[in-house]
Amino acid sequence: GAGVSQSPSNKVTEKGKDVELRCDPISGHTALYWYRQSLGQGLEFLIYFQGNSAPDKSGLPSDRFSAERTGGSVSTLTIQRTQQEDSAVYLCASSLSVAGYEQYFGPGTRLTVT
Amino acid sequence: DQQVKQNSPSLSVQEGRISILNCDYTNSMFDYFLWYKKYPAEGPTFLISISSIKDKNEDGRFTVFLNKSAKHLSLHIVPSQPGDSAVYFCAAKLRSNFGNEKLTFGTGTRLTIIP
Repeated sequence: GAGVSQSPSNKVTEKGKDVELRCDPISGHTALYWYRQSLGQGLEFLIYFQGNSAPDKSGLPSDRFSAERTGGSVSTLTIQRTQQEDSAVYLCASSLSVAGYEQYFGPGTRLTVT
Repeated sequence: DQQVKQNSPSLSVQEGRISILNCDYTNSMFDYFLWYKKYPAEGPTFLISISSIKDKNEDGRFTVFLNKSAKHLSLHIVPSQPGDSAVYFCAAKLRSNFGNEKLTFGTGTRLTIIP
């Protein structure tokens, strides 16, 4: 079956512009996560959606970052007024709510802010 | 504050030998640990996991050992194969009543298998 997909795969933007990153989770997965990996760093948690519950936004680094999940499926991560330190690979993952804790990752979006 | 640490950024192992990747954690509230493998330009893929109530879990060539008193876990790959060359991430989940929770990842260890 189809895995987690993300688009675009690469995004180059100028400092100060807004960007939107998209994630399509595995069908039937109720949990969706966003992480980012900066150069030489581990994966840093950003935000987590579980069903109809309020999202866990505790990892968002600033109020320039926001995310939504429409219809319990597709999610969009928005970064406003991008800064150079936002350059990273943004990874989306999804998981089943009750069948273990394994998260399945998409290929990521590489964001470069110039 | 790095709660999950992988102190070796890289490791080279001869093909056929055992690869041992190490991970240390500081938060005693972690109750589930996972290893992920990542190839360049791909997302991480789940490899193997272990609950904090166990000290060993084995799946084919892969075995994860957990030492709770030392807050240490390790991944053993034997025998190592060239296709095992990748970056390996250790991850941990906090104890929760809700099941799924965010994972806290280490910084990764790049494993290179030498033919």
